[in-house]
Amino acid sequence: DAGVIQSPRHEVTEMGQEVTLRCKPISGHNSLFWYRQTMMRGLELLIYFNNNVPIDDSGMPEDRFSAKMPNASFSTLKIQPSEPRDSAVYFCASSSLTGAGYTFGSGTRLTVV
Amino acid sequence: GENVEQHPSTLSVQEGDSAVIKCTYSDSASNYFPWYKQELGKGPQLIIDIRSNVGEKKDQRIAVTLNKTAKHFSLHITETQPEDSAVYFCAAHSSGSARQLTFGSGTQLTVLP
Repeated sequence: DAGVIQSPRHEVTEMGQEVTLRCKPISGHNSLFWYRQTMMRGLELLIYFNNNVPIDDSGMPEDRFSAKMPNASFSTLKIQPSEPRDSAVYFCASSSLTGAGYTFGSGTRLTVV
Repeated sequence: GENVEQHPSTLSVQEGDSAVIKCTYSDSASNYFPWYKQELGKGPQLIIDIRSNVGEKKDQRIAVTLNKTAKHFSLHITETQPEDSAVYFCAAHSSGSARQLTFGSGTQLTVLP
């Protein structure tokens, strides 16, 4: 398995633009998590899905953030409009419902200027 | 909810020495405790984990110990090597409906040659 695949690896965008981050979880994993990592706040859970259904989105900072999982092999995290304070590394992770360990993707480094 | 505290935030050791990172958790229902290693520019990678029915687990140069009574667990790395230099995260997972890991704030380990 190629692991959790995230795209793009790097994204630089101007304030106010829409940004879409993509994630392909490991085949067979039923849970998918979106995290944001910054120096100040560490790893923050934004939202997670079980069997494509959003379970907890209490970590989503504002209505500007939205996430979808239309099928078991794809999820998106969208920021609209983006702001400089959204600059961070965004990680996607997946796990199976019977296990507990997460497998993380390589992350998307987002810079909003 | 669960709260995980991790210490120290930075740790420098000489090559060949041992390194110990400690974490405490708050939720007595937590039953799974993984450790992740994050190298620069990469996502966190699971290196070892322990479940609450076990007090210690070893894998070559790394070991994890768990004290359920005191609600703390530790990562031990022996015979450290420069490639052990990374950020290490502990995490705790409870068996409740919220199937998510709570992460510690991370420890930057530097192994000096």
